[in-house]
Amino acid sequence: AQSVAQPEDQVNVAEGNPLTVKCTYSVSGNPYLFWYVQYPNRGLQFLLKYITGDNLVKGSYGFEAEFNKSQTSFHLKKPSALVSDSALYFCAVRDLYNFNKFYFGSGTKLNVKP
Amino acid sequence: ETGVTQTPRHLVMGMTNKKSLKCEQHLGHNAMYWYKQSAKKPLELMFVYSLEERVENNSVPSRFSPECPNSSHLFLHLHTLQPEDSALYLCASSDGQGGNTGELFFGEGSRLTVL
Repeated sequence: AQSVAQPEDQVNVAEGNPLTVKCTYSVSGNPYLFWYVQYPNRGLQFLLKYITGDNLVKGSYGFEAEFNKSQTSFHLKKPSALVSDSALYFCAVRDLYNFNKFYFGSGTKLNVKP
Repeated sequence: ETGVTQTPRHLVMGMTNKKSLKCEQHLGHNAMYWYKQSAKKPLELMFVYSLEERVENNSVPSRFSPECPNSSHLFLHLHTLQPEDSALYLCASSDGQGGNTGELFFGEGSRLTVL
């Protein structure tokens, strides 16, 4: 079965500091991994994805994610956090055998303080 | 319009009412989804339609009834709901063709409150 886990319910970081939001995955085969962001009472917005190729993927709003096959991780990172980055972040994996299915993590709330 | 559009954005209904949520996608995708997002709970997949055929139905109570008249439109018909059905209902679309690596595109959601 395919799944992702986000071990932290909440991450707190000061503005200007680097941030990391963690995600680990469990899939059979090569994973298709995604990060989404959700602001209050809004839908999920796509940030970036890993399909194949370079392990460091760059996305929207200065975010990037590093795919690590040996650690089965896909952590979201940003070198310098902004207060406006405060939101709920979801990691997801697409089912390789049923392309209509996506599995989402439970979400991590990121708080960036001035 | 572009992307995925959901209406209404907010809906308040009594337990005996009948209402519908509407979703429209302008991305040329062939798969559409309904997700339920409740406070402090993981995102729940409710239904998936691929090429206008329902391919996933995750044990959703019959008081929720989906309809997909064509590949661009998706409805969620609601009747005799319970207060615990209050949630944010998210519509999404994707290109569900085998081998496609595309992401899900979400609408802004419909915030449902059942009194």
